[in-house]
Amino acid sequence: EEQLVESGGGLVKPGGSLRLSCAASGFTFSRSSMNWVRQAPGKGLEWVSVISSTGSYIYYADSVKGRFIISRDNAQNSLYLQMNSLRVEDTAVYYCARAGPAAIRGSGYFDYWGHGILVTVSS
Amino acid sequence: DIQMTQSPSSLSASVGDRVTITCRASQGISNSLAWYQQAPGKHPKLLISAASTLQSGVPSRFSGSGSGTDFALTITSLQPEDVATYYCQKYNSAPLTFGGGTKVEIK
Repeated sequence: EEQLVESGGGLVKPGGSLRLSCAASGFTFSRSSMNWVRQAPGKGLEWVSVISSTGSYIYYADSVKGRFIISRDNAQNSLYLQMNSLRVEDTAVYYCARAGPAAIRGSGYFDYWGHGILVTVSS
Repeated sequence: DIQMTQSPSSLSASVGDRVTITCRASQGISNSLAWYQQAPGKHPKLLISAASTLQSGVPSRFSGSGSGTDFALTITSLQPEDVATYYCQKYNSAPLTFGGGTKVEIK
């Protein structure tokens, strides 16, 4: 069974840093593009970043560009999101999501989702 | 960047009603459009890809249509378990933008 499990969330002060992890199992992680999606409390879904299967293609939403870094370790079946210079408006549940089998170069719909992890940025 | 506009933002309908949600892209995206269902307190679930391809296990009362800039998600006979927020998403290229969501409730 395909599974994505996020970890590393919590409370951080504005300007601080946090690193999220996503552990994948039940599918061939090394062949899958992976994404981070977030949802602020009571708000809609916001795509954050994508990394292709080999890491050759990486894209970010304008709202996080220059502050967040997506990376992956295919040997460990893990996806990461390094979040720096955090702002109050980054408070959200962060989901890890797999792009479907036809995804190339950072495209693709999301067929598997994790349950999400809460990041709270507050003083 | 391409913007995705959903309407309505919320709706209330009776069990058995036909419900239609629309999604408009600010530029053509061919059929690179997905629909997701997010039940309260849950993670999103993929319903439809390629504008009209129903995912395995999704009830046949759900259907998708459209191409280019105008798309629709239709529930032919609304059921209590369909209470959720529905999102469209363009996925042809980054940014992989979502629509604002449509909250569906039972009257």
